[in-house]
Amino acid sequence: QKEVEQNSGPLSVPEGAIASLNCTYSDRGSQSFFWYRQYSGKSPELIMFIYSNGDKEDGRFTAQLNKASQYVSLLIRDSQPSDSATYLCAVNSPGGGADGLTFGKGTHLIIQP
Amino acid sequence: EAQVTQNPRYLITVTGKKLTVTCSQNMNHEYMSWYRQDPGLGLRQIYYSMNVEVTDKGDVPEGYKVSRKEKRNFPLILESPSPNQTSLYFCASSLSPESSGSRLYSGELFFGEGSRLTVL
Repeated sequence: QKEVEQNSGPLSVPEGAIASLNCTYSDRGSQSFFWYRQYSGKSPELIMFIYSNGDKEDGRFTAQLNKASQYVSLLIRDSQPSDSATYLCAVNSPGGGADGLTFGKGTHLIIQP
Repeated sequence: EAQVTQNPRYLITVTGKKLTVTCSQNMNHEYMSWYRQDPGLGLRQIYYSMNVEVTDKGDVPEGYKVSRKEKRNFPLILESPSPNQTSLYFCASSLSPESSGSRLYSGELFFGEGSRLTVL
């Protein structure tokens, strides 16, 4: 049984600070990792993916992957109130493909003005 | 505009009354999937389809049916809805690994706006 674990939160971060969201996964053969953002009452949308160990930066967002520790994180710099949402971590099975995605239950992030 | 369209967006029905939630995508994606989202349980996959006439069960398929007769459409059928199927449902689509060029980043799902279903 593949498992993807996230702290449900809420995680409260002051505006302008760095928000750090964490995710661990059980399947050591997992190949690629995705972060989706979901605003309340809306559908998830992909914000980043990563498949190599290390950091991947896109604007204010940085994804970090450590396959040895089976750990993936998302850092949001200069947090804005508009970043308040639930962040879903998704992990691909060793075979890859969207059919093999397993989602975590999400972390609820609140950016305090 | 590239999109995944679900209908209805909101529905209140009664136990046992068959219903269909439609899903259509205009991105020529091979892969389509249905999820349900419940508080504390996250997103759970119901059924998925890798291409026309190819469907398979996800993690929670009981009580649901699907069909994929055309590439763009993937309806979700509840033959005899029960109150435990009250949930928020999402349809999603994606390119296949072959079309996207790699299995590594073929996990980019495009979601519909969701269908909130209440079964009384």
